[in-house]
Amino acid sequence: DQQVKQNSPSLSVQEGRISILNCDYTNSMFDYFLWYKKYPAEGPTFLISISSIKDKNEDGRFTVFLNKSAKHLSLHIVPSQPGDSAVYFCAASEDQAGTALIFGKGTTLSVSS
Amino acid sequence: NAGVMQNPRHLVRRRGQEARLRCSPMKGHSHVYWYRQLPEEGLKFMVYLQKENIIDESGMPKERFSAEFPKEGPSILRIQQVVRGDSAAYFCASSWGENTEAFFGQGTRLTVV
Repeated sequence: DQQVKQNSPSLSVQEGRISILNCDYTNSMFDYFLWYKKYPAEGPTFLISISSIKDKNEDGRFTVFLNKSAKHLSLHIVPSQPGDSAVYFCAASEDQAGTALIFGKGTTLSVSS
Repeated sequence: NAGVMQNPRHLVRRRGQEARLRCSPMKGHSHVYWYRQLPEEGLKFMVYLQKENIIDESGMPKERFSAEFPKEGPSILRIQQVVRGDSAAYFCASSWGENTEAFFGQGTRLTVV
């Protein structure tokens, strides 16, 4: 039973365009959502987070949108850069402690120049 | 300030042997989390420890797996009598407190032959 789903295993975008990575969840108790970026042979790196009291959080080129009624969140990267090419994991937890994070399977983003 | 250090980076074990994975948290961090990433899967939570205490082990397999975080020294994830299905990347993360972000190590890739 997958509580956090990233239905697109891969996404290809041209440099300068917008990348939109999607994530759906099933557990209505999830209160805190995070995105991690992972390069090959490295650990995940925290990118951006959002708590359920907000519907948008922005940090530079990265914006996360949360639609609680649809149990859906998305990560927007604008403009996309070749260095953004990585695997992006959506994660959720029932509190902001970040413990027991439930991760999606990841989406591989490829940004071509 | 060194990040989360995991060693070894790569570990090969024969079926039936024991695997010991080490994690040194970031300086000042007293909370440690272990995650496992199976091939083609997202990261799955295994266990959350504070110094000398297991807080949440709901993601740990019931048999052969154990974890500790002693007062002195690194956190250890121990897998006894490894089987091929244990082959995965094991990531450790640490945080300063319960409500703070967790930082990941680079992972240990375990291969059981």
